[in-house]
Amino acid sequence: DGGITQSPKYLFRKEGQNVTLSCEQNLNHDAMYWYRQDPGQGLRLIYYSQIVNDFQKGDIAEGYSVSREKKESFPLTVTSAQKNPTAFYLCASSSGGVAFTGELFFGEGSRLTVL
Amino acid sequence: DAKTTQPPSMDCAEGRAANLPCNHSTISGNEYVYWYRQIHSQGPQYIIHGLKNNETNEMASLIITEDRKSSTLILPHATLRDTAVYYCIVWYLQGAQKLVFGQGTRLTINP
Repeated sequence: DGGITQSPKYLFRKEGQNVTLSCEQNLNHDAMYWYRQDPGQGLRLIYYSQIVNDFQKGDIAEGYSVSREKKESFPLTVTSAQKNPTAFYLCASSSGGVAFTGELFFGEGSRLTVL
Repeated sequence: DAKTTQPPSMDCAEGRAANLPCNHSTISGNEYVYWYRQIHSQGPQYIIHGLKNNETNEMASLIITEDRKSSTLILPHATLRDTAVYYCIVWYLQGAQKLVFGQGTRLTINP
């Protein structure tokens, strides 16, 4: 079945460590996204990529980095510069370019806790 | 992007129709209305979207007022599994291909 896979589902790290969250999709989608969600809040966009080897900052990109070397993969690194990294992270993908409909497909999320 | 206003929470009895309102008074002519929902601790799920005509699919109906300043998502026969946070998003399809989520409405379906 096609879909988006995020890993790990739960992650604990010490303060000051960099962490990389994985996001893989087999939907042949051009566009991929990373969102952050804090308890009781809506989703906030961190980074998005509309095509391989290209990505743009979202609303809260500081302290995060991404890469898009392959169409299927869009890993997110939470760096030590992120002041409050404990959150629920969601990856999504969609068809891009002229085929874009606004329908995003989300993964099940990764819950990061920094101790 | 146009802003949306949704009630923070609503209740509905199981088996009844759930009507979720959304105000988007600053919407422009080429902006679509999208609805997503998020069941606890899962990724959001697309429900429906529309421009100015009413839309219906297997999940829900979307009613957009003639002046397009507000819309209503209708779940015709709510079940307990419809308990979720529902997000109304207004967005220009030809612009930057990203969705901006607000706070949404927490819908609770009661048995």
